[in-house]
Amino acid sequence: AQKVTQAQTEISVVEKEDVTLDCVYETRDTTYYLFWYKQPPSGELVFLIRRNSFDEQNEISGRYSWNFQKSTSSFNFTITASQVVDSAVYFCALSEARETGNQFYFGTGTSLTVIP
Amino acid sequence: DTEVTQTPKHLVMGMTNKKSLKCEQHMGHRAMYWYKQKAKKPPELMFVYSYEKLSINESVPSRFSPECPNSSLLNLHLHALQPEDSALYLCASSQDADSFYEQYFGPGTRLTVT
Repeated sequence: AQKVTQAQTEISVVEKEDVTLDCVYETRDTTYYLFWYKQPPSGELVFLIRRNSFDEQNEISGRYSWNFQKSTSSFNFTITASQVVDSAVYFCALSEARETGNQFYFGTGTSLTVIP
Repeated sequence: DTEVTQTPKHLVMGMTNKKSLKCEQHMGHRAMYWYKQKAKKPPELMFVYSYEKLSINESVPSRFSPECPNSSLLNLHLHALQPEDSALYLCASSQDADSFYEQYFGPGTRLTVT
């Protein structure tokens, strides 16, 4: 079963629109962490945010904001006033503890295109 | 500095060649990772090194051979690859493999096997 689901495969928005990328995760652990990464066409995954399972406060960083809701197992990412440079594939990821070391589970990614 | 470097950026090799991918980080991280990523797919974990010891091998074929010469360097030796091994190979590092630290990724090596 997929541990991290990003149901939106591709999204296109016009520049300056707001866009929300959905992420739903599945875990039985009480302690876990959630992440978002951005992968522009150049290929490098860029770390955006890490959030632990005990901290449900929403986070804002410039035009980026994240909404963590344990009740719905969701960790959604909103870009406000989107720009062309935001065009990329965005991955949500879950980290759980395992005996062999923490396991990282990536979602399938959402490809965002911002049209000028 | 949160930089992970990888060389080469691009590599084309035949099925009988032997080549190596290199990865380096100077963040003092004690965990390093190799991932394989096919187009339009998420990264797939291949290997994890924790304190210079191989801790996870995700059932990767023996034609891929990882090596961690020291805490800053990670190599991936390639031999007798198949065309389906063509992919983006990403290296990552984190403070350690047992806590929930974020992983920092390098730019990747785009490998084409002919």
